[in-house]
Amino acid sequence: DTAVSQTPKYLVTQMGNDKSIKCEQNLGHDTMYWYKQDSKKFLKIMFSYNNKELIINETVPNRFSPKSPDKAHLNLHINSLELGDSAVYFCASSPQDSLPGGYTFGSGTRLTVV
Amino acid sequence: KQEVTQIPAALSVPEGENLVLNCSFTDSAIYNLQWFRQDPGKGLTSLLLIQSSQREQTSGRLNASLDKSSGRSTLYIAASQPGDSATYLCGAGSYQLTFGKGTKLSVIP
Repeated sequence: DTAVSQTPKYLVTQMGNDKSIKCEQNLGHDTMYWYKQDSKKFLKIMFSYNNKELIINETVPNRFSPKSPDKAHLNLHINSLELGDSAVYFCASSPQDSLPGGYTFGSGTRLTVV
Repeated sequence: KQEVTQIPAALSVPEGENLVLNCSFTDSAIYNLQWFRQDPGKGLTSLLLIQSSQREQTSGRLNASLDKSSGRSTLYIAASQPGDSATYLCGAGSYQLTFGKGTKLSVIP
């Protein structure tokens, strides 16, 4: 059983389109995250979310929005895609926010905007 | 704001050598420090998790230490093997993990 699963694995789309990436975790974790890994392999936090609080990295454009239908899912919606959005996006989860616990990452979604 | 630095950026060693990867962080008020490996085109695989009350963790040939007061962690790999070749990432934080840019390790047969 995959602990944190993301779909799709690859996504190629044109500039200006709107797209979504789905993430699901079956670990019973309380907090989920989205990270962006750029072409230089630098991993940056975009969002963290639990049932109570959404924390947004101030550098994330408002074209990006997380949506969580329930505790096990955190999807990422991107509007009006730009060339600079091309990257690998990783979903992760951890036990209750502010308590010790390790992160588990998904295998990533490689987004290419053409 | 937490900042994490990993040194060296790249490392190439012959098979069998012991090696140390370094990670430093600016905000010592962390709950966790976690080491990951990332193979090309793949996701992050957790290697070791050190909670703030701990000093070190061991798994097989890997040993990670944590010194919160100095803002440092090291990952020690014993008897390196070609299969250890990957990028190693250190993440530190409380509410969120902040990552360094990684150390790209190449173990030469």
